[in-house]
Amino acid sequence: NAGVMQNPRHLVRRRGQEARLRCSPMKGHSHVYWYRQLPEEGLKFMVYLQKENIIDESGMPKERFSAEFPKEGPSILRIQQVVRGDSAAYFCASSRTEANYGYTFGSGTRLTVV
Amino acid sequence: GENVEQHPSTLSVQEGDSAVIKCTYSDSASNYFPWYKQELGKRPQLIIDIRSNVGEKKDQRIAVTLNKTAKHFSLHITETQPEDSAVYFCAASTTGGSQGNLIFGKGTKLSVKP
Repeated sequence: NAGVMQNPRHLVRRRGQEARLRCSPMKGHSHVYWYRQLPEEGLKFMVYLQKENIIDESGMPKERFSAEFPKEGPSILRIQQVVRGDSAAYFCASSRTEANYGYTFGSGTRLTVV
Repeated sequence: GENVEQHPSTLSVQEGDSAVIKCTYSDSASNYFPWYKQELGKRPQLIIDIRSNVGEKKDQRIAVTLNKTAKHFSLHITETQPEDSAVYFCAASTTGGSQGNLIFGKGTKLSVKP
């Protein structure tokens, strides 16, 4: 079992560009969660998805951010028109059932906006 | 919504001593409390968790206690070793429905001096 796979590990974007972060859940897991971690801070929940459904996006900014988890393929977190404040580590986690059973995080994507 | 406070923000101990990290939560409906360890530049890794129907759980040198009445829970590490040095995060969550997200504390940076 390869675990939760995220790519790329590092992503550099200029202000105004788009960032696409990918997350492939563990085999057999149909629930995906995205968290953002600013330097020296804890993880902040962004969005919770199941296949083809957004369950809870209460932590995601209303503008420029979107997420999807299609029937086939990885979950994608998309950030349009990135700004310097978007620089952070973005972690994805997956679980087999609804959360609260110690879901596993991927290695994260470290986004740097220059 | 849920709010998790974590103390202290930094903790320095001598090798072999014990370390205690404390967290409080606000939502009495929370019933799942995991602890994650994050080494520099790496993913958060689950080290232990506890559910609200249990007051204490132990795994070798690590133990977690939960006081539901006071709404606080603590991580205890005994016989600390240099490899225990990391940032530790507590989290809280409710089960069921769309409440799949974890609410994290801001973290405690533990330094174990040889």
